[in-house]
Amino acid sequence: DAGITQSPRYKITETGRQVTLMCHQTWSHSYMFWYRQDLGHGLRLIYYSAAADITDKGEVPDGYVVSRSKTENFPLTLESATRSQTSVYFCASSDFRTVNQPQHFGDGTRLSIL
Amino acid sequence: GNSVTQMEGPVTLSEEAFLTINCTYTATGYPSLFWYVQYPGEGLQLLLKATKADDKGSNKGFEATYRKETTSFHLEKGSVQVSDSAVYFCALSGGGATNKLIFGTGTLLAVQP
Repeated sequence: DAGITQSPRYKITETGRQVTLMCHQTWSHSYMFWYRQDLGHGLRLIYYSAAADITDKGEVPDGYVVSRSKTENFPLTLESATRSQTSVYFCASSDFRTVNQPQHFGDGTRLSIL
Repeated sequence: GNSVTQMEGPVTLSEEAFLTINCTYTATGYPSLFWYVQYPGEGLQLLLKATKADDKGSNKGFEATYRKETTSFHLEKGSVQVSDSAVYFCALSGGGATNKLIFGTGTLLAVQP
């Protein structure tokens, strides 16, 4: 089915570990985004990508790494997880052909770092 | 810089009550404005949007009008249902060619039968 899928849905890990969150979309959207959702902060942009091999920092990029070797995939890596990175992470995509297009969201990954 | 301010929740209403969730924004240029809804355990879904001043976005009985003079985009519904219980996010486009969105902090709506 077409859409945007995130995996895993839930993840528990320990501080200092590396963890990768996966995001896959089937629309061939040019833009992809990673957000974190925390109580009282709404959604904050971590990184975004305008196309394969083009990524840029958002509002809260520290401690995260992204890559985009293929248009459909946009993994987010926490190289050395910290407790402050416990959050719900959402991936989104949008079409490039016109600006101000809505974003389409995955169902999120709930990440707990002990 | 651009920002969005929306009313804090939770908002608790009885079924069939009138809903207003306030949203104001600060922006340069002419951003598009959006309302997203997040049901429990799910991602955000686009509810409605407006791309220029005086535009009215509408969907599923919800409406919002892009008011440039008051920099507002308040969400309204005439008669809420229990199934409308969710978190509602106001957002504006960051402008330029990046398709970035700036979100408000979200407002939890709880509708009681």
